[in-house]
Amino acid sequence: DSGVTQTPKHLITATGQRVTLRCSPRSGDLSVYWYQQSLDQGLQFLIQYYNGEERAKGNILERFSAQQFPDLHSELNLSSLELGDSALYFCASSVPTSGGAADTQYFGPGTRLTVL
Amino acid sequence: QKEVEQDPGPLSVPEGAIVSLNCTYSNSAFQYFMWYRQYSRKGPELLMYTYSSGNKEDGRFTAQVDKSSKYISLFIRDSQPSDSATYLCAMGPGANSKLTFGKGITLSVRP
Repeated sequence: DSGVTQTPKHLITATGQRVTLRCSPRSGDLSVYWYQQSLDQGLQFLIQYYNGEERAKGNILERFSAQQFPDLHSELNLSSLELGDSALYFCASSVPTSGGAADTQYFGPGTRLTVL
Repeated sequence: QKEVEQDPGPLSVPEGAIVSLNCTYSNSAFQYFMWYRQYSRKGPELLMYTYSSGNKEDGRFTAQVDKSSKYISLFIRDSQPSDSATYLCAMGPGANSKLTFGKGITLSVRP
């Protein structure tokens, strides 16, 4: 158990709908990362938040948005859903390391989104 | 060309075999290299973390980085059925930076 929690585990919805995925990072971790994993694209970075502020953006669609709240939990909002949005969505958290070393990211169990 | 390329697999080996998993990359800025293991229906878990070129050993696992060739490897000795999982390489340039992942290779270790 990584200490990162994600809800819900599974989500089935229809095209055009909007959903919200939730992530609680490990205690003390300030950074939250969101990833999308599909069979053909692998694990793709979407967006990173650090202590409530957006830090980096990856291949995130305009229909998707995220935020990190004062208690450090994060939500990923997906709207106008399309069939191609069906994927596993992972959240990861990390605490910054010293000396410029890359953060160690700990992943949650993921949310499996199915768009019908 | 993708930033990180990983052998697609799948890979099936008998128990006890030595397994070699490889990734190549194109971004010279990458300084930190990781291997994650992902069991079916679970999130990736960090297996090995290395910085720059060289080898790092942890039990039956050895991570190797060759920055001059932009090539990283993960070796698994005495492979066990419990090693059956998808292995993803990941790399990044430094602190607070996003990681770029390979697509992953699925390993199956036959008893």
